[in-house]
Formats: sequence, C-alpha cells, structure tokens
Amino acid sequence: GAVVSQHPSRVICKSGTSVKIECRSLDFQATTMFWYRQFPKQSLMLMATSNEGSKATYEQGVEKDKFLINHASLTLSTLTVTSAHPEDSSFYICSAGPGQGNTEAFFGQGTRLTVV
Amino acid sequence: EDQVTQSPEALRLQEGESSSLNCSYTVSGLRGLFWYRQDPGKGPEFLFTLYSAGEEKEKERLKATLTKKESFLHITAPKPEDSATYLCAVKNNNNDMRFGAGTRLTVKP
Repeated sequence: GAVVSQHPSRVICKSGTSVKIECRSLDFQATTMFWYRQFPKQSLMLMATSNEGSKATYEQGVEKDKFLINHASLTLSTLTVTSAHPEDSSFYICSAGPGQGNTEAFFGQGTRLTVV
Repeated sequence: EDQVTQSPEALRLQEGESSSLNCSYTVSGLRGLFWYRQDPGKGPEFLFTLYSAGEEKEKERLKATLTKKESFLHITAPKPEDSATYLCAVKNNNNDMRFGAGTRLTVKP
C-alpha cells in the first residue's frame, strides 16, 4: 500500500525554539495532506489541511502563526511549531492518500514532541 | 455537528474470544467511514473504508459492517497481536473528517 513517512519520530526542544516536522508521500503524489494532533488516550484532532502550491486551511482554534505549514511539492509537507511552549507537547501525525477518494487513508508514523 | 462515539472505551478478550467494537455516528452526508488500527506511539494504520449502508469488508480476522447509524468491527478468534487501539472516523460532504476516541483492545494469551 501507499507509504507516508514522517520525520522525526521524536524530538525534544527548549521553550521558545522552533521545530520542523516533515511528512513525505513516498510512492504517490499528494496534492492534499492533513496534520493532526493527538493527546494521550484521546482522538485525533485535525489541525490543518495542507494544499500543494497554496495556503493551508486551518481548523478553528488553531493558530496559523504558531503552526506554519508549507506544502512546496507534491510529495512533501512540513509543519513548523514556532516558539514552542510546554503545552505544545503532543503527538503530531500527518496523513495523505493517492487519488481523490481516500485522501486520509495513510498516516505517517507520528512525531512525539516534548517541549521542556 | 458531526459526532463519532466508539464503545467500549476498552475491551479485554481472551485469545480466541470473538467480539465486536461499535462506532456510532451522526454526520451531515456520509462520504466514507474509516477504520484504523493504532499501536502505541505509532500513526494509525488504515484498515477499511465503507461508503454505504449494508456494505461489508473483511481482512483476516477483521470484518467491518455499516448501517445508517453505526459501524461494527467484528474480530473473530483474536490473537494477542490484535491488541491495539481501533479508531473509527467519518468524512462528511464537506470532506471534513471526525475521529472517535477509539477502543483499546487487549487480547490475552
């Protein structure tokens, strides 16, 4: 099946610094990718929809200036957590899929972000 | 507002003890219902997509069914390696996805 690769899998950073997370589709082109956040034992919450060549669409309550999304190519989307704070510590996951129907079919491995 | 409720929250089974997980939903125009498996510290792994009431899909020991109000994930003769959290999600006519909180399944040998 299709493969979505996310990097890094774990990152620890200091408060106030920025962290970039990459999401790549390895064997298909993805015009749309999705970024989620998941707290322990809770559901995935959609943060934003990343659109290749255009601005991302953010969900209500998600700060655009804090969570910068760039989708510069058909196989790569990046999420940058800017000026990170401890409350940004979470599990971040991206998803994508081939074709128009199952664009949420495949997820990356996730990134565990810890801000100290 | 679209809602997805999964039950039970946690389920413990003996190896070989078949059971079902439930996903109840309300959605403004169902474009798809998704089932995923998620292992601790990993991203969800896609299992099935169901599009219309009456549809069924199978994969090894798993079988997903769909009605207009809910979906079931039936697990037949589970093995310890089936232990994971199973997530259900729906996509509406606006292509918005909403996930349930998941069912944490533990299968004891």
